[in-house]
Amino acid sequence: RKEVEQDPGPFNVPEGATVAFNCTYSNSASQSFFWYRQDCRKEPKLLMSVYSSGNEDGRFTAQLNRASQYISLLIRDSKLSDSATYLCVVNGRGSQGNLIFGKGTKLSVKP
Amino acid sequence: EAQVTQNPRYLITVTGKKLTVTCSQNMNHEYMSWYRQDPGLGLRQIYYSMNVEVTDKGDVPEGYKVSRKEKRNFPLILESPSPNQTSLYFCATHVGSGGTDTQYFGPGTRLTVL
Repeated sequence: RKEVEQDPGPFNVPEGATVAFNCTYSNSASQSFFWYRQDCRKEPKLLMSVYSSGNEDGRFTAQLNRASQYISLLIRDSKLSDSATYLCVVNGRGSQGNLIFGKGTKLSVKP
Repeated sequence: EAQVTQNPRYLITVTGKKLTVTCSQNMNHEYMSWYRQDPGLGLRQIYYSMNVEVTDKGDVPEGYKVSRKEKRNFPLILESPSPNQTSLYFCATHVGSGGTDTQYFGPGTRLTVL
């Protein structure tokens, strides 16, 4: 099992659609989980951290299922500006800033 | 303004010609990392540093060196670049340990080794 696995997409959706991304991770000892957003040829930027109880930030909802080692991101009412690659990120084996990135899921929102 | 800067942003070089990519941060963060990003492979950590004079290997350290003589700077050194080091490189910083904090990335350096 790969350390962090995501569906690469692309997900092509119309504006206003709801879209969900899934991610699985292999290290059951991982404690920190994030979703990063990366625009084409730009640096990744933190979208949101993922907490055990689930959390929401506007149109974005993140969920964590530790038993299944599964993370999700839900985007409601998609905007054109949501088009990007979404990276699932988990802290790795080490304790010193070692993050393991998924390969990303590409989202394209069409008018 | 909180910032991570990298230089150069773009570089084309030839096999074997030593090069250094600089990274500087103004956030007084202790932790800094270097990543490379390749199509189909995602972001992979090359080296990280927990503080001045403290560095350690990430997942793909072969062919790279780093140094951390000052808190704000974390240069990446390629002593003898090879074509398989053609990649997009990102420097990142964060304040805490354990990967629990937001990582701030530099704008990236696109390196081509011919």
